[in-house]
Amino acid sequence: GENVEQHPSTLSVQEGDSAVIKCTYSDSASNYFPWYKQELGKRPQLIIDIRSNVGEKKDQRIAVTLNKTAKHFSLHITETQPEDSAVYFCAPPICSARQLTFGSGTQLTVLP
Amino acid sequence: GAVVSQHPSWVICKSGTSVKIECRSLDFQATTMFWYRQFPKQSLMLMATSNEGSKATYEQGVEKDKFLINHASLTLSTLTVTSAHPEDSSFYICSAKEGPYEQYFGPGTRLTVT
Repeated sequence: GENVEQHPSTLSVQEGDSAVIKCTYSDSASNYFPWYKQELGKRPQLIIDIRSNVGEKKDQRIAVTLNKTAKHFSLHITETQPEDSAVYFCAPPICSARQLTFGSGTQLTVLP
Repeated sequence: GAVVSQHPSWVICKSGTSVKIECRSLDFQATTMFWYRQFPKQSLMLMATSNEGSKATYEQGVEKDKFLINHASLTLSTLTVTSAHPEDSSFYICSAKEGPYEQYFGPGTRLTVT
């Protein structure tokens, strides 16, 4: 089945610094790569996604980069703020099915 | 964006009772909905894929007879936890697909079985 690995599992950064979370997948047919943010006790929220026909996408302080050859995509958060503290999940879909497979999550803590 | 609601948001049940959780897509039609379970400090685990008008597809290790899923219409899917036990206590989240890619999540239902 689909193998998804997410690193690191925890990440602490000082406010204003950058944070990078990496997700590695195994299904070479995957063509959609989303990142979700989940605050404690709340639902996951889609924060950014990328299709396989581009290598990078930015939305203000958030960016996602994709390396299809190496089968990994990364979430980049710049100028981090305390409200960025949450658990972040990558979720590359299995192309043979229609559901998402979630990574194990990264607990990001932004220290003031 | 698309809105998905879930009811109830939290529920406390005694061991042995059954609990029904509803998932609704409010402003779009969803032919496919998904049910996830999330234990504390863990990732979301897909339980089953709910297809309108047909039987749900369960993930390996998920008991079909214990977690009954009904996708009665294009905007409603229900999950019934039958004969609930304390180990079923968890955060249950549904999601619905709008289009081929994006999934939108419901707010979740926190189930506590005493």
